[in-house]
Amino acid sequence: QKEVEQNSGPLSVPEGAIASLNCTYSDRVSQSFFWYRQYSGKSPELIMSIYSNGDKEDGRFTAQLNKASQYVSLLIRDSQPSDSATYLCAVNRAGSARQLTFGSGTQLTVLP
Amino acid sequence: NAGVMQNPRHLVRRRGQEARLRCSPMKGHSHVYWYRQLPEEGLKFMVYLQKENIIDESGMPKERFSAEFPKEGPSILRIQQVVRGDSAAYFCASSTRPEKDYGYTFGSGTRLTVV
Repeated sequence: QKEVEQNSGPLSVPEGAIASLNCTYSDRVSQSFFWYRQYSGKSPELIMSIYSNGDKEDGRFTAQLNKASQYVSLLIRDSQPSDSATYLCAVNRAGSARQLTFGSGTQLTVLP
Repeated sequence: NAGVMQNPRHLVRRRGQEARLRCSPMKGHSHVYWYRQLPEEGLKFMVYLQKENIIDESGMPKERFSAEFPKEGPSILRIQQVVRGDSAAYFCASSTRPEKDYGYTFGSGTRLTVV
C-alpha cells in the first residue's frame, strides 16, 4: 500500500464546474496535509494546507480533511482552463523532521 | 526577495560523469530539502540539511549521491558516475526552521538528462 494515494486521472471537467480531487494516506499519525499544483515542466506550487478536521476555504479552493478516514480532498469551484495541471497531495509525518510524502498526482483538465 | 534559486535549470551529462546541482535558499533560511521527481512519478524526499549538517538522508540512494550545505554558499547535490536512471527533475526547498505547520516553497528545479 502506498503511503499517499491519489487517482492518477486524467480528470476532465467543463469550465465553471467543481473539480474534486481525492487523496488517502496510510500513516495514522500524520499531522499536516498540503496540496500542490504543478504545471507541466514547472515546479510544484503550494496552494493549500490543512491541519485540522473539517473544511478550509481559500478563494475558489476548499481543502477537506477527515483524519478518522485518513482522507483529504481538494475542491476547485468555478474551474478555469488555467486550473489544468497536476495536483499533488503531500503529507507530513509526525517525527519526520519536515519530510513530506507526496502522492503521484492527479492530472486535471478543465475544458473550455 | 528572491525565492529559492536553483542552477543550472537544465543539465546534460554523459553516463559516468558527475553532476553538481546547486540550491541557494531564500534569504534567512538555514534549512534545505532536496526532492527528486522521476518521469511520471511524484516527488520523493532525498535529504534534509541545515548549515553544515545533514539532518535526514533517509531518501538518498546509498551510493553515488551526496549532499552538503556549507556555512557559506549554496547547498550542493552531487551525483557521481551518473546513469540513465538518474535522469529526473531535482527540486530544492528551504525554510527558516522545521515548523510542521506549513508547506515549503520549491525552487524552479534542475532537470538532469543523462545521455
